[in-house]
Amino acid sequence: TQLLEQSPQFLSIQEGENLTVYCNSSSVFSSLQWYRQEPGEGPVLLVTVVTGGEVKKLKRLTFQFGDARKDSSLHITAAQPGDTGLYLCAGRIMGTSYGKLTFGQGTILTVHP
Amino acid sequence: EAGVTQFPSHSVIEKGQTVTLRCDPISGHDNLYWYRRVMGKEIKFLLHFVKESKQDESGMPNNRFLAERTGGTYSTLKVQPAELEDSGVYFCASSQDRLNYGYTFGSGTRLTVV
Repeated sequence: TQLLEQSPQFLSIQEGENLTVYCNSSSVFSSLQWYRQEPGEGPVLLVTVVTGGEVKKLKRLTFQFGDARKDSSLHITAAQPGDTGLYLCAGRIMGTSYGKLTFGQGTILTVHP
Repeated sequence: EAGVTQFPSHSVIEKGQTVTLRCDPISGHDNLYWYRRVMGKEIKFLLHFVKESKQDESGMPNNRFLAERTGGTYSTLKVQPAELEDSGVYFCASSQDRLNYGYTFGSGTRLTVV
């Protein structure tokens, strides 16, 4: 059973386009993170959201946590080839131990010049 | 500061053999985590140490897996005997305290059991 559904699994776009990646769950999360992972490396933290409805921006990346804390999205504006990589959402399900993150399956983003 | 370091980066072993993975967390980080990703699946939690104590080992697949963290510094994850389904990438991560929501991950150990 996939506790955190991430979509789309693959995304191939042209430079300059916008895109959105979604993470959805039937569980409530106390916090949710977005990571980016390069081949041969571990995930690197981009952002953490903890409050329902919270929106955070990191340059061209906008992260949103759903009001009910069951979903989140990552929006990239004017994508660039340097944005290519694997994006992962991960969060702490309410009531579970604070050290246990539940991951989505990831979105492989390819931005073509 | 130095990041989370994992050894080896790759390991190929035969079914039935023993393999030990090592993780050196960021100095001063009391919390250390093991995760793994098997092919086609999401990254999954294995266990969490706070210093030398196991805080949560609910993700350990079975008793063929043994994790230790001697002295609250580096950690080892031993798989004995290894099975084919143990193949995957094993990630270690560390964090300073429970309020630090995000982790620093190592580059992982790619384990292949043949």
